[in-house]
Amino acid sequence: GAVVSQHPSWVICKSGTSVKIECRSLDFQATTMFWYRQFPKQSLMLMATSNEGSKATYEQGVEKDKFLINHASLTLSTLTVTSAHPEDSSFYICSAADNHEQYFGPGTRLTVT
Amino acid sequence: GENVEQHPSTLSVQEGDSAVIKCTYSDSASNYFPWYKQELGKRPQLIIDIRSNVGEKKDQRIAVTLNKTAKHFSLHITETQPEDSAVYFCAVTSGTYKYIFGTGTRLKVLA
Repeated sequence: GAVVSQHPSWVICKSGTSVKIECRSLDFQATTMFWYRQFPKQSLMLMATSNEGSKATYEQGVEKDKFLINHASLTLSTLTVTSAHPEDSSFYICSAADNHEQYFGPGTRLTVT
Repeated sequence: GENVEQHPSTLSVQEGDSAVIKCTYSDSASNYFPWYKQELGKRPQLIIDIRSNVGEKKDQRIAVTLNKTAKHFSLHITETQPEDSAVYFCAVTSGTYKYIFGTGTRLKVLA
């Protein structure tokens, strides 16, 4: 089946710094990737839809200047959390779409101290 | 926009019993309904899915039923085992790849 990787798997950063998370589709090309955020004991909340070669579409309430998304190729999308704060600490999961199914990455646990 | 409700939020069953989780949705254009199992700290894993042109689908101990008229679909797990303990999420999409997830059900199978 389709494989999606994410890097890093976990990261700790200081408040005010930026963190970049990579999402790669390893064995298929994905014109569309998604970024989710999951707080403890909660559901996956869609943050944005990343489209290769165009601007990302952000969900209501998600600050596009804070969560920068770049989908520069058919196999790579990146999410940069800028000026991170402790409330940004969460589990970030990407997914890549292939034939109407989504394949999830393993997630990145971000802790902002 | 689409609204997905999932019930119950927690469910405890004795090993060997059945578990049923239900989701309701609002958008009649929705046409694909996957179910995911997520273990702590891990990615969601697709366990079964159903498309709008089918009323029921079964895969060994797991089945999903869809009632398009009432706009709800359910996950059925029979002969539950301790390893079925996890959080289960339903999702809904209208074919645009964009998924809306339910709130999740924490299933605990008691040995």
